[in-house]
Amino acid sequence: KAGVTQTPRYLIKTRGQQVTLSCSPISGHRSVSWYQQTPGQGLQFLFEYFSETQRNKGNFPGRFSGRQFSNSRSEMNVSTLELGDSALYLCASSPGQGGYTFGSGTRLTVV
Amino acid sequence: QKEVEQNSGPLSVPEGAIASLNCTYSDRGSQSFFWYRQYSGKSPELIMFIYSNGDKEDGRFTAQLNKASQYVSLLIRDSQPSDSATYLCAVKYGGATNKLIFGTGTLLAVQP
Repeated sequence: KAGVTQTPRYLIKTRGQQVTLSCSPISGHRSVSWYQQTPGQGLQFLFEYFSETQRNKGNFPGRFSGRQFSNSRSEMNVSTLELGDSALYLCASSPGQGGYTFGSGTRLTVV
Repeated sequence: QKEVEQNSGPLSVPEGAIASLNCTYSDRGSQSFFWYRQYSGKSPELIMFIYSNGDKEDGRFTAQLNKASQYVSLLIRDSQPSDSATYLCAVKYGGATNKLIFGTGTLLAVQP
Protein backbone atom coordinates (compact mmCIF):
# COMPACT_ATOMS: atom_id res chain seq x y z
CA LYS A 1 0.00 0.00 0.00
CA ALA A 2 1.57 3.27 -1.10
CA GLY A 3 2.15 5.89 1.57
CA VAL A 4 1.64 9.62 1.45
CA THR A 5 3.54 11.09 -1.49
CA GLN A 6 4.77 14.65 -1.47
CA THR A 7 6.42 16.42 -4.36
CA PRO A 8 8.85 17.96 -4.82
CA ARG A 9 11.19 16.88 -2.02
CA TYR A 10 13.29 20.02 -2.16
CA LEU A 11 12.71 23.53 -3.45
CA ILE A 12 14.75 26.68 -3.54
CA LYS A 13 12.85 29.87 -4.27
CA THR A 14 13.58 33.57 -4.22
CA ARG A 15 11.76 36.05 -2.00
CA GLY A 16 8.60 37.32 -3.64
CA GLN A 17 8.05 34.21 -5.73
CA GLN A 18 5.23 31.78 -5.23
CA VAL A 19 5.35 28.01 -4.81
CA THR A 20 2.96 25.08 -5.11
CA LEU A 21 3.44 21.86 -3.20
CA SER A 22 1.62 18.63 -3.91
CA CYS A 23 0.40 15.78 -1.73
CA SER A 24 -1.17 12.47 -2.70
CA PRO A 25 -2.75 10.76 0.33
CA ILE A 26 -2.98 7.08 1.03
CA SER A 27 -5.62 5.50 -1.16
CA GLY A 28 -9.01 5.74 0.51
CA HIS A 29 -8.01 8.55 2.88
CA ARG A 30 -10.24 11.57 2.41
CA SER A 31 -8.68 13.85 5.00
CA VAL A 32 -5.48 15.71 4.17
CA SER A 33 -3.76 18.10 6.55
CA TRP A 34 -0.76 20.34 6.04
CA TYR A 35 1.82 21.32 8.64
CA GLN A 36 4.83 23.58 8.69
CA GLN A 37 7.83 22.49 10.72
CA THR A 38 10.61 24.87 11.72
CA PRO A 39 13.31 24.50 14.39
CA GLY A 40 11.91 27.41 16.36
CA GLN A 41 8.16 26.76 16.18
CA GLY A 42 7.95 23.01 15.78
CA LEU A 43 5.02 21.54 13.91
CA GLN A 44 2.34 24.12 13.17
CA PHE A 45 -1.04 23.26 11.65
CA LEU A 46 -1.76 25.01 8.36
CA PHE A 47 -5.09 23.61 7.17
CA GLU A 48 -7.14 20.48 6.70
CA TYR A 49 -9.22 19.35 3.77
CA PHE A 50 -11.91 16.72 3.74
CA SER A 51 -13.84 15.80 0.61
CA GLU A 52 -12.60 18.90 -1.22
CA THR A 53 -13.71 21.25 1.60
CA GLN A 54 -11.43 23.14 3.93
CA ARG A 55 -12.52 21.99 7.36
CA ASN A 56 -10.06 23.88 9.53
CA LYS A 57 -7.38 26.51 9.13
CA GLY A 58 -4.42 27.41 11.29
CA ASN A 59 -3.11 30.82 12.21
CA PHE A 60 -1.17 31.62 9.06
CA PRO A 61 -1.45 34.63 6.76
CA GLY A 62 -3.60 34.56 3.65
CA ARG A 63 -0.49 34.00 1.53
CA PHE A 64 -0.88 30.36 2.48
CA SER A 65 -3.69 28.61 0.68
CA GLY A 66 -4.65 25.14 -0.35
CA ARG A 67 -7.14 23.00 -2.13
CA GLN A 68 -8.18 19.40 -2.51
CA PHE A 69 -9.25 17.66 -5.66
CA SER A 70 -11.94 15.04 -6.18
CA ASN A 71 -9.33 12.27 -6.06
CA SER A 72 -8.25 13.56 -2.59
CA ARG A 73 -4.92 14.86 -3.83
CA SER A 74 -4.11 18.20 -2.30
CA GLU A 75 -1.97 21.19 -3.13
CA MET A 76 -0.82 24.07 -1.02
CA ASN A 77 0.33 27.38 -2.39
CA VAL A 78 2.44 30.08 -0.80
CA SER A 79 2.53 33.43 -2.54
CA THR A 80 4.96 36.30 -2.11
CA LEU A 81 7.50 34.12 -0.35
CA GLU A 82 9.39 35.48 2.66
CA LEU A 83 12.63 34.25 4.18
CA GLY A 84 10.66 33.07 7.20
CA ASP A 85 8.69 30.65 5.04
CA SER A 86 11.74 28.42 4.81
CA ALA A 87 10.62 25.21 6.47
CA LEU A 88 9.74 21.58 6.07
CA TYR A 89 6.16 21.31 4.83
CA LEU A 90 4.47 18.10 5.78
CA CYS A 91 1.28 16.57 4.54
CA ALA A 92 -0.64 14.00 6.57
CA SER A 93 -3.55 11.84 5.53
CA SER A 94 -6.09 10.11 7.68
CA PRO A 95 -8.97 7.69 7.14
CA GLY A 96 -10.97 9.65 9.72
CA GLN A 97 -10.16 7.78 12.92
CA GLY A 98 -6.89 6.72 14.39
CA GLY A 99 -3.48 7.80 13.33
CA TYR A 100 -2.31 10.26 10.76
CA THR A 101 0.37 9.23 8.30
CA PHE A 102 2.87 11.83 7.21
CA GLY A 103 4.57 12.11 3.88
CA SER A 104 8.32 12.66 3.57
CA GLY A 105 7.81 16.39 3.31
CA THR A 106 8.93 19.18 1.03
CA ARG A 107 11.87 21.20 2.25
CA LEU A 108 11.47 24.76 1.06
CA THR A 109 14.35 27.20 1.18
CA VAL A 110 13.66 30.85 0.43
CA VAL A 111 16.72 32.93 -0.48
CA GLN B 1 -4.68 29.05 23.27
CA LYS B 2 -4.70 25.28 23.34
CA GLU B 3 -1.24 24.05 24.22
CA VAL B 4 0.70 20.86 24.42
CA GLU B 5 3.87 20.90 26.48
CA GLN B 6 6.82 18.56 26.56
CA ASN B 7 10.23 18.71 28.17
CA SER B 8 12.63 19.37 25.30
CA GLY B 9 15.35 17.21 26.82
CA PRO B 10 17.67 15.74 25.89
CA LEU B 11 16.64 12.74 27.91
CA SER B 12 19.57 10.37 28.15
CA VAL B 13 19.06 6.74 29.19
CA PRO B 14 21.37 3.72 29.04
CA GLU B 15 20.63 0.89 26.64
CA GLY B 16 18.15 -1.57 28.13
CA ALA B 17 16.60 0.96 30.51
CA ILE B 18 13.06 2.34 30.51
CA ALA B 19 12.64 5.75 28.90
CA SER B 20 9.74 7.83 30.19
CA LEU B 21 8.45 10.68 28.06
CA ASN B 22 5.84 13.06 29.36
CA CYS B 23 3.31 15.47 27.88
CA THR B 24 0.69 17.79 29.35
CA TYR B 25 -2.14 19.51 27.55
CA SER B 26 -4.29 22.48 28.40
CA ASP B 27 -7.74 21.78 26.99
CA ARG B 28 -10.01 19.33 28.80
CA GLY B 29 -11.95 18.88 25.57
CA SER B 30 -9.06 16.89 24.11
CA GLN B 31 -10.19 13.50 22.86
CA SER B 32 -7.29 11.69 21.19
CA PHE B 33 -3.62 11.57 21.94
CA PHE B 34 -0.79 10.53 19.68
CA TRP B 35 2.89 9.80 20.00
CA TYR B 36 5.13 10.27 16.97
CA ARG B 37 8.81 9.53 16.57
CA GLN B 38 10.93 11.70 14.31
CA TYR B 39 14.48 10.89 13.31
CA SER B 40 16.71 13.75 12.28
CA GLY B 41 15.94 14.80 8.71
CA LYS B 42 12.91 12.51 8.47
CA SER B 43 9.18 13.00 8.80
CA PRO B 44 7.23 11.98 11.92
CA GLU B 45 6.04 8.39 12.14
CA LEU B 46 3.15 7.29 14.33
CA ILE B 47 4.07 5.08 17.27
CA MET B 48 0.69 4.79 18.91
CA PHE B 49 -2.47 6.60 19.91
CA ILE B 50 -4.72 6.45 22.94
CA TYR B 51 -8.26 7.61 23.58
CA SER B 52 -9.21 6.25 26.99
CA ASN B 53 -7.81 6.69 30.47
CA GLY B 54 -5.32 4.05 31.47
CA ASP B 55 -2.56 2.20 29.71
CA LYS B 56 -2.21 0.95 26.16
CA GLU B 57 0.64 -1.37 25.27
CA ASP B 58 2.18 -2.15 21.90
CA GLY B 59 5.37 -4.17 22.01
CA ARG B 60 8.03 -2.23 23.92
CA PHE B 61 5.85 0.89 23.99
CA THR B 62 3.20 1.81 26.56
CA ALA B 63 1.08 4.95 26.39
CA GLN B 64 -0.53 6.17 29.57
CA LEU B 65 -3.40 8.67 29.71
CA ASN B 66 -4.80 10.52 32.71
CA LYS B 67 -7.48 12.94 31.59
CA ALA B 68 -8.13 14.25 35.11
CA SER B 69 -4.51 15.39 35.33
CA GLN B 70 -4.36 16.28 31.61
CA TYR B 71 -1.29 14.16 31.26
CA VAL B 72 -0.14 11.60 28.73
CA SER B 73 3.09 9.66 28.76
CA LEU B 74 5.04 7.17 26.68
CA LEU B 75 7.19 4.47 28.20
CA ILE B 76 9.80 2.69 26.11
CA ARG B 77 11.02 -0.54 27.68
CA ASP B 78 14.40 -2.10 26.87
CA SER B 79 15.52 1.10 25.13
CA GLN B 80 17.79 0.62 22.13
CA PRO B 81 20.19 3.06 20.47
CA SER B 82 17.84 2.95 17.46
CA ASP B 83 15.18 4.56 19.65
CA SER B 84 17.26 7.74 19.76
CA ALA B 85 15.03 10.34 18.14
CA THR B 86 12.68 13.21 18.92
CA TYR B 87 9.34 12.11 20.33
CA LEU B 88 6.38 14.32 19.56
CA CYS B 89 3.18 14.35 21.53
CA ALA B 90 0.05 15.45 19.64
CA VAL B 91 -3.49 16.13 20.75
CA LYS B 92 -6.70 16.10 18.76
CA TYR B 93 -9.60 18.08 20.08
CA GLY B 94 -13.24 17.32 19.61
CA GLY B 95 -15.43 18.12 16.65
CA ALA B 96 -15.32 17.36 12.98
CA THR B 97 -11.67 18.04 12.45
CA ASN B 98 -8.43 16.13 12.21
CA LYS B 99 -6.37 19.07 13.40
CA LEU B 100 -3.53 18.01 15.67
CA ILE B 101 -1.73 20.28 18.13
CA PHE B 102 1.86 19.18 18.60
CA GLY B 103 4.25 19.65 21.44
CA THR B 104 7.77 20.75 20.62
CA GLY B 105 9.12 17.26 21.19
CA THR B 106 11.54 15.53 23.55
CA LEU B 107 14.92 14.44 22.27
CA LEU B 108 15.77 10.97 23.51
CA ALA B 109 19.34 9.70 23.47
CA VAL B 110 19.92 6.02 24.28
CA GLN B 111 23.52 5.41 25.24
CA PRO B 112 25.06 2.06 24.18
